[in-house]
Amino acid sequence: DAGVIQSPRHEVTEMGQEVTLRCKPISGHNSLFWYRQTMMRGLELLIYFNNNVPIDDSGMPEDRFSAKMPNASFSTLKIQPSEPRDSAVYFCASSFGGASKNEQFFGPGTRLTVL
Amino acid sequence: KQEVTQIPAALSVPEGENLVLNCSFTDSAIYNLQWFRQDPGKGLTSLLLIQSSQREQTSGRLNASLDKSSGRSTLYIAASQPGDSATYLCAVPTSGNTPLVFGKGTRLSVIA
Repeated sequence: DAGVIQSPRHEVTEMGQEVTLRCKPISGHNSLFWYRQTMMRGLELLIYFNNNVPIDDSGMPEDRFSAKMPNASFSTLKIQPSEPRDSAVYFCASSFGGASKNEQFFGPGTRLTVL
Repeated sequence: KQEVTQIPAALSVPEGENLVLNCSFTDSAIYNLQWFRQDPGKGLTSLLLIQSSQREQTSGRLNASLDKSSGRSTLYIAASQPGDSATYLCAVPTSGNTPLVFGKGTRLSVIA
């Protein structure tokens, strides 16, 4: 398996623009996680899906952030409008069996810079 | 609310030395504990997962222990190598089978 795939790997945009991050989880995994990593706050969970249904979105910082999982093999995280403080590395991870029962496998991340 | 602390934040050791990384958590009602490795500019790689019923887990030169009652875990790395240089993070669920809460990691440098 190719592992968790994320695109783009790098994104530079201007404040106010819409940003869409994409994730393809490992085939057969039924749990998907979006994280954000910054130097100041470390790794934070934004939202967690199980069987394509959002289970916990308490980490989504504002209404500017939204996430979807239309099917078992694809998810998006959208920021509209983007702000400089959204600059971070965004990771997608997947696992089988729930939020923390089994190992999580991480994608390579998307480094977002908002100017 | 689960909080995870890792000490030290950074560590530099000469090649060949055995070392211990520490992780503590505030809520001991955990399902399991996971240790991850993160190389610069890369995603996280799972190293070890210890179930709450286990005391330790081993993989090669890595050994992780878990003491639920005291809210602590250690990651022991034997005979360290320059290739072990990375940031090591531990993570636990808030409770039961819930999403992971991560520590901020220990940045390890192994000097040849």
